[in-house]
Amino acid sequence: EPEVTQTPSHQVTQMGQEVILRCVPISNHLYFYWYRQILGQKVEFLVSFYNNEISEKSEIFDDQFSVERPDGSNFTLKIRSTKLEDSAMYFCASKGGEEVTEAFFGQGTRLTVV
Amino acid sequence: AQSVSQHNHHVILSEAASLELGCNYSYGGTVNLFWYVQYPGQHLQLLLKYFSGDPLVKGIKGFEAEFIKSKFSFNLRKPSVQWSDTAEYFCAVMVLNQGGKLIFGQGTELSVKP
Repeated sequence: EPEVTQTPSHQVTQMGQEVILRCVPISNHLYFYWYRQILGQKVEFLVSFYNNEISEKSEIFDDQFSVERPDGSNFTLKIRSTKLEDSAMYFCASKGGEEVTEAFFGQGTRLTVV
Repeated sequence: AQSVSQHNHHVILSEAASLELGCNYSYGGTVNLFWYVQYPGQHLQLLLKYFSGDPLVKGIKGFEAEFIKSKFSFNLRKPSVQWSDTAEYFCAVMVLNQGGKLIFGQGTELSVKP
């Protein structure tokens, strides 16, 4: 069964460092998303990506964040200068098309900023 | 702004007890509704979904949910829980024509005692 895969499963980084979280969506999907879940809190939408551009972003997704689909298979989330409050579980998701409403999630990357 | 509210933060049940987890959303337009489950250390998995038609939907592992439009609710039920149902449960709403982003509730942690 096709699945969304994320790497690494756990990343520890020092405050101020750049991190790149990687995702491989399901191959024929067209819509891609990043969500995050701070420990003990709800899953929050960060950004959606379609047709090689951001289609929507939340208030959380400020200038420190960027997304890219560099090679047609990977979908990356970059945080330029990490802060302690960026520590969270980051989930990637993909969806087949406009009419297909079910999103499939990856297993998440736990980011710890120290 | 749309929001999703789950009434219970942590529910503790004994095996064979019946389960009902509450979920209410605030949005006046057309939505798709989802329940996701997250087993310890695993990714979000879809339990069931409602798009249209019969408001009583059945999902995997014996779960079902009922959409009551007048109450803006989508409660999750299971007649008899098992120890393996121990997990976190998330209700989510997808507003149509908004790019497919999901708005999650804060989650309910279910602990089932053997």
